[in-house]
Amino acid sequence: GDSVTQMEGPVTLSEEAFLTINCTYTATGYPSLFWYVQYPGEGLQLLLKATKADDKGSNKGFEATYRKETTSFHLEKGSVQVSDSAVYFCALRNNNDMRFGAGTRLTVKP
Amino acid sequence: SQTIHQWPATLVQPVGSPLSLECTVEGTSNPNLYWYRQAAGRGLQLLFYSVGIGQISSEVPQNLSASRPQDRQFILSSKKLLLSDSGFYLCAWSDGAGAYYGYTFGSGTRLTVV
Repeated sequence: GDSVTQMEGPVTLSEEAFLTINCTYTATGYPSLFWYVQYPGEGLQLLLKATKADDKGSNKGFEATYRKETTSFHLEKGSVQVSDSAVYFCALRNNNDMRFGAGTRLTVKP
Repeated sequence: SQTIHQWPATLVQPVGSPLSLECTVEGTSNPNLYWYRQAAGRGLQLLFYSVGIGQISSEVPQNLSASRPQDRQFILSSKKLLLSDSGFYLCAWSDGAGAYYGYTFGSGTRLTVV
């Protein structure tokens, strides 16, 4: 079945460092891909998405490109802030079925 | 615009007591509805989903049950809580029209069974 694999955390960075969180997927057909963010004590919020190959999703300085040839959707940000500390989930949706990765905890230190 | 409400935000219950968590969605009709559980430091576990009133699918057999008495209301219940039921419970909804739309999550309920 469809699945999502994302890099295990935790990830700890200094403020203004470059961030990459790897995400790869296995799916039949043409899924849509998503990144969600979960701040402490809160629900998941949609961060960005891409619905077809080569699409780039972006929001709040974060970007991810839908790479069908490598089945990847890596999350990147050029300069992280302390306020970016959260858990990040990669996900795919194929028809009505959503699959989530295990989540990657990011801590940004001042 | 669509909104999702989930309550209570925090709940502390003794072992063996009943549970009722409620989730409602506004601004849409016939949504797909989902209950997830997130154990401390862990990922998301899909518990139940519903594509319509009275239609419930269970992903994991356990001590919990779900009901959908109205189109935009989804309830998670238990007759007798176990310690292992502790966790962060999330309700979500989606448009049932296919892969384009993601899920929208509620703010969650932190359940501690003591």
